Amino acid sequence: AQTVTQSQPEMSVQEAETVTLSCTYDTSESDYYLFWYKQPPSRQMILVIRQEAYKQQNATENRFSVNFQKAAKSFSLKISDSQLGDAAMYFCAYRSAKLTGGGNKLTFGTGTQLKVEL
Amino acid sequence: DAGVIQSPRHEVTEMGQEVTLRCKPISGHDYLFWYRQTMMRGLELLIYFNNNVPIDDSGMPEDRFSAKMPNASFSTLKIQPSEPRDSAVYFCASSFRGQGPYEQYFGPGTRLTVT
Repeated sequence: AQTVTQSQPEMSVQEAETVTLSCTYDTSESDYYLFWYKQPPSRQMILVIRQEAYKQQNATENRFSVNFQKAAKSFSLKISDSQLGDAAMYFCAYRSAKLTGGGNKLTFGTGTQLKVEL
Repeated sequence: DAGVIQSPRHEVTEMGQEVTLRCKPISGHDYLFWYRQTMMRGLELLIYFNNNVPIDDSGMPEDRFSAKMPNASFSTLKIQPSEPRDSAVYFCASSFRGQGPYEQYFGPGTRLTVT
């Protein structure tokens, strides 16, 4: 079974600074997808960024980028120019590329609470 | 374009009562998921459907929980009888197989409190 580990329960960043959230995962599969979801106090789960394991290029979405290290099974999220609205719980998630055998489910980490300070 | 719709947003009930949570997926999506979020266990998948058929219900905690998807635009998660340990936020999500990584789009969640 796949597992996702987020070792930082809380992180803080100054507004306009850069912060990196860590995520590691364990899998025996070679083809899969990785995601970062954001959950603000409204509790809505919002997809921030995704990475396909077969792609070597790191995904970027505006101020959000990832550092995907497949061999190390590491998938960190970098937030540049942090804004007050970035304050939220961030979840790393894994999904197998298989659609059979329950492979379509997301396996989540325990989350990192990000605080943005003025 | 409406997202995933869940109702109610909040539910408070007494132990032993039946609770029904409802979900309307994004139109055209063929996968529907039910997740539960608690402080102790985090986010965990309960069950998911493909084309209205349950595919994996291994996460359903016990027989008190049941889920149905009578058509492509509606699903229910029922707890009967409810217990205080069922208190959690329940999310519904949907995805479309035709879109690469098949991102799952989440509804706003239902916060269930069982007293």
